[in-house]
Amino acid sequence: AQTVTQSQPEMSVQEAETVTLSCTYDTSESDYYLFWYKQPPSRQMILVIRQEAYKQQNATENRFSVNFQKAAKSFSLKISDSQLGDAAMYFCAYRSLPYSGGGADGLTFGKGTHLIIQP
Amino acid sequence: DAGVTQSPTHLIKTRGQQVTLRCSPKSGHDTVSWYQQALGQGPQFIFQYYEEEERQRGNFPDRFSGHQFPNYSSELNVNALLLGDSALYLCASSFQSGDPNYGYTFGSGTRLTVV
Repeated sequence: AQTVTQSQPEMSVQEAETVTLSCTYDTSESDYYLFWYKQPPSRQMILVIRQEAYKQQNATENRFSVNFQKAAKSFSLKISDSQLGDAAMYFCAYRSLPYSGGGADGLTFGKGTHLIIQP
Repeated sequence: DAGVTQSPTHLIKTRGQQVTLRCSPKSGHDTVSWYQQALGQGPQFIFQYYEEEERQRGNFPDRFSGHQFPNYSSELNVNALLLGDSALYLCASSFQSGDPNYGYTFGSGTRLTVV
């Protein structure tokens, strides 16, 4: 079974600064998908960024980028030019290839990092 | 285009009772997954439904059951409620033949409190 670890329960950053959220995972699979989700107080999980493990190039979505280190099983999220609206819980999640036999098709989540933006 | 809708938004039940939560997937999606998110924790996968059948299941007891209807909507049923079942229950939808890299679309959840 896969596990996802987020070692930072809470992070705080000044508005307009850059912050990096850490995520490590454990798997025996060679190909898989990784995601970062944002959960604001509205409770809805919102997809921030995604990465396919076979792609070496780090994904980027506007102010959000990842540092994917497959050998180290690390998948950190960098938020540049932090904005007040970025304040939320951030969850790292793992997904096996569908029908890979590697387990449920569902996402495996970490415990989350609470991101605070200081004005 | 409606996203994933869940009902009710909040629910209070007594220990030992049964509860039914409902989910309508995003338009065009045919697969529904359910997650349990305890306070301060990440969501945990309960099960997934496709073509009206339970495809896969996480580590949850048989007290948790579900159903998917021909219109792809889904219900989550929990019997013999325990205090530990108090959590936010999230529904997520996806398209079976779609790119798995796109993950899922989540609803805003149902907050269940068992007293």
